Amino acid sequence: EVQLLESGGGLVQPGGSLRLSCAASGFTFKNYALSWVRQAPGKGLEWVSAISATGGTTYYADSVKGRFTFSRDNSKNTLDLQMNSLRAEDTAVYYCVKDRGSGSLLDYWGQGILVTVSS
Amino acid sequence: QSALTQPRSVSGSPGQSVTISCTGTSSDVGAYNYVSWYQQHPGKAPKLMIYDVTKWPSGVPDRFSGSKSGNTASLTISGLQADDEADYYCCSYAGSYTYVFGTGTKVTVL
Repeated sequence: EVQLLESGGGLVQPGGSLRLSCAASGFTFKNYALSWVRQAPGKGLEWVSAISATGGTTYYADSVKGRFTFSRDNSKNTLDLQMNSLRAEDTAVYYCVKDRGSGSLLDYWGQGILVTVSS
Repeated sequence: QSALTQPRSVSGSPGQSVTISCTGTSSDVGAYNYVSWYQQHPGKAPKLMIYDVTKWPSGVPDRFSGSKSGNTASLTISGLQADDEADYYCCSYAGSYTYVFGTGTKVTVL
């Protein structure tokens, strides 16, 4: 069974930093791309970032480019999303999501973790 | 990376059918047959209902069906049931591991 477990969320002040992690199990981690998707309170889903299976390529939504960094450790089956220069509009539930392969479908989702940016 | 356009809400009585549209561009919906639909109940993670425009994941009833024409995809829920009341989001692959989601549609069962 595919499992994705996010951690590291919480309250942070505007301009601050936070690091989200995702622990994966139930599939051959090193063979799959993964993404982060977020959902602001009462709002829709927004794709945030993706990382290739090897970790050699990353992609970001314009809204987070230059502030967020997505990395993975294929020896530990873990992902990290380093979030810097946080803004109020980054407040959201962040989901760790497995890709079907090398793009085309986000098939398994974690339960999500809340990040609140507020003074 | 503009969001795909969905109606804000649709409603129907139990047993009826409802259809949700999802309009994108020639760079996303029109470019790939990789449109998926997710159901989200309050406080829960999204659940995959349709993928590759028309396919069902294991365990999803065939009351849910998908289609696409040009830059617009659609989700039809037939034989509406109380538990179908939820938010629904379309999603299109947009190339290079990136995705764009729809604005979301609230389905109400009257």
